[in-house]
Amino acid sequence: EVQLVESGGGLVQPGGSLRLSCAASELTFSSYEMNWVRQAPGKGLEWVSYISSSGSNIYYTDSVRGRFTISRDNAKKSLYLQMNSLRAEDTAVYYCVRDQGYSYGLGYFAYWGQGTLVTVSS
Amino acid sequence: QSALTQPASVSGSPGQSITISCTGTSNDVGGYNYVSWYQQHPGKPPKVMIYDVSNRPSGVSNRFSGSKSGNTASLTISGLQAEDEADYYCSSYASGSTLRVFGGGTKLTVL
Repeated sequence: EVQLVESGGGLVQPGGSLRLSCAASELTFSSYEMNWVRQAPGKGLEWVSYISSSGSNIYYTDSVRGRFTISRDNAKKSLYLQMNSLRAEDTAVYYCVRDQGYSYGLGYFAYWGQGTLVTVSS
Repeated sequence: QSALTQPASVSGSPGQSITISCTGTSNDVGGYNYVSWYQQHPGKPPKVMIYDVSNRPSGVSNRFSGSKSGNTASLTISGLQAEDEADYYCSSYASGSTLRVFGGGTKLTVL
C-alpha cells in the first residue's frame, strides 16, 4: 500500500518561509510524478505544483510561481515544497499527491497523504 | 474563481441517480480526455473515483460513471447511498503554464 506522510506545517508570519516534506513508503518512488495540492479551510482543492519523476520538469500554479519551489530526492523517497514570502491566502492543508497513469503530467491524482496544515498569520 | 465550473450543491434520495457537471474550455476539459473525479468526506483526503473521463480505479463501485461532451464532463452516481454524501471535485489536464485545474467542488446531500 502506498503511504505518503507530510510534515513541516505550522504557524508562520506573513513574509516568512516554511519547508514541507513528504515521505513515501514505496520503493518505486523514483518512477512516479508527484504533486502538491492545497485546500484552504472550508474551501475547494487547488493544485499547487508538479514535478516529474526525474525532477527535470516542474510546473506551478500562477499564484505561487516565484515564491514556492518543488523538489525531490529519489534516494530518500522524499518530496519537498519550499515556501517563501508566505501570504495569508497561502493558509491551507497541503497534500502530497502521487500521480498514476500517463506521464508528462497527463496522469491523475491517485494517492494522497493526510495533509499538513500551514497557517500564515501574525 | 476556480478554473472549472461545478454546481455548488446537488441532492438526491437513496436509490436515485444524480449527475454532477464540470464545465471548462477547449484548453482543458474540451481538449483532452484527462478528466478525473474525486470524492472527499469531511476531514479526509480526497479519493479518486473516475480517471481519464470514464475509467474507474480498482475498488470503486460501478455505481459511479463518467462521461464528457464538448467542454463539459459529468459524474453520475446511480443507486444513491447514504455513504455517497460528500464533496466531489473534477480535475483536468490544462494546456499552457497551468498543468492541472480543479473545479470548485459540489456538495452532494443524500436526503
